[in-house]
Amino acid sequence: EPEVTQTPSHQVTQMGQEVILRCVPISNHLYFYWYRQILGQKVEFLVSFYNNEISEKSEIFDDQFSVERPDGSNFTLKIRSTKLEDSAMYFCASTPRRGLFFGSGTQLSVL
Amino acid sequence: GIQVEQSPPDLILQEGANSTLRCNFSDSVNNLQWFHQNPWGQLINLFYIPSGTKQNGRLSATTVATERYSLLYISSSQTTDSGVYFCAVENSGGSNYKLTFGKGTLLTVNP
Repeated sequence: EPEVTQTPSHQVTQMGQEVILRCVPISNHLYFYWYRQILGQKVEFLVSFYNNEISEKSEIFDDQFSVERPDGSNFTLKIRSTKLEDSAMYFCASTPRRGLFFGSGTQLSVL
Repeated sequence: GIQVEQSPPDLILQEGANSTLRCNFSDSVNNLQWFHQNPWGQLINLFYIPSGTKQNGRLSATTVATERYSLLYISSSQTTDSGVYFCAVENSGGSNYKLTFGKGTLLTVNP
């Protein structure tokens, strides 16, 4: 069964460093997302992406964040200058317009 | 924005017991999904169920959209059912398949 894949599974970085989280959505899906979950809290929407542009973003998704689909398969989330409060599990998701399918997540730890 | 309330927040069962998890939402929805977050943090897609009833093995779900609630039934629970169960909805006014998650129900199944 096709699945959303994310790399790396864990990322440790120093405060102020840039990180890029990578995702390969399911191949025939057209809508892509990033969500995050701070430890012990609920899953929160960050951004949706369709037709090579952001279709919606939350207030969390400030200028430190960017997304890109650099080729036909990858979908990336970049955090330009990480802060301690960016530590969270980041989930990529995609949809064929009938329910979202999530990847297994990247646990980001900012020290 | 739409509010999603899940109950109970915590549930402890003996293996073999049945349980019902509830999700209430504050507005009409286009999409409702149930997820299981396993101890490794993965979000497993259980049901896409904006209305009606579905069954998958020992799990079933019912959404009564007109009354703004959904129920997830787990029968003959097993230790592998342990984890957090999330309900997530998309408001009917939305067009980007953006999900709002509840805080989840933490299920512990003891042997």
